[in-house]
Amino acid sequence: GAVVSQHPSWVICKSGTSVKIECRSLDFQATTMFWYRQFPKQSLMLMATSNEGSKATYEQGVEKDKFLINHASLTLSTLTVTSAHPEDSSFYICSARLAEPYEQYFGPGTRLTVT
Amino acid sequence: GQNIDQPTEMTATEGAIVQINCTYQTSGFNGLFWYQQHAGEAPTFLSYNVLDGLEEKGRFSSFLSRSKGYSYLLLKELQMKDSASYLCALMDSNYQLIWGAGTKLIIKP
Repeated sequence: GAVVSQHPSWVICKSGTSVKIECRSLDFQATTMFWYRQFPKQSLMLMATSNEGSKATYEQGVEKDKFLINHASLTLSTLTVTSAHPEDSSFYICSARLAEPYEQYFGPGTRLTVT
Repeated sequence: GQNIDQPTEMTATEGAIVQINCTYQTSGFNGLFWYQQHAGEAPTFLSYNVLDGLEEKGRFSSFLSRSKGYSYLLLKELQMKDSASYLCALMDSNYQLIWGAGTKLIIKP
């Protein structure tokens, strides 16, 4: 099946710093990638939809200046959490979508802890 | 708008069969997905139904009735490793996934 990788798998950073998370589709090209956030024992929350070569579409309530998304190629999307705060501590998961039949494959997730 | 309902938690016995139901309301429909998510891990794809009927994949089967807005995931010969959350997700007219809250399945020996 399709493989999606994420790096890093976990990161601890200090409040006020920025963290970049990479999402790669390893064996297929993904024109669309998605970024999710999941707090403990809660549902997946879609943060933004990332299309290769264009600006990301952010969900309501997600600050685009704080969560910078870049989808520079068909196999790589990055999420940068800028000026991180402890409340940004969460499990960040990316997914990449096949063109047909639109299945989404998830990366293993990145656990971010902001101290 | 869209709405997805699935039970919060279910318990079953190792070796048994369990059916996890998902009902939905939507104006646009491009398929129904089931994902499995173990605690602390990302979801993994289980099945995709876009036409009515049953899709079987080994111990897992998924059923869809579009007229009833209903799907179920059937797990046979349950194993302890099947303890996880099972997420029902609806693909809307924009090909975006709308997620249910998930069903936590607890398997007991």
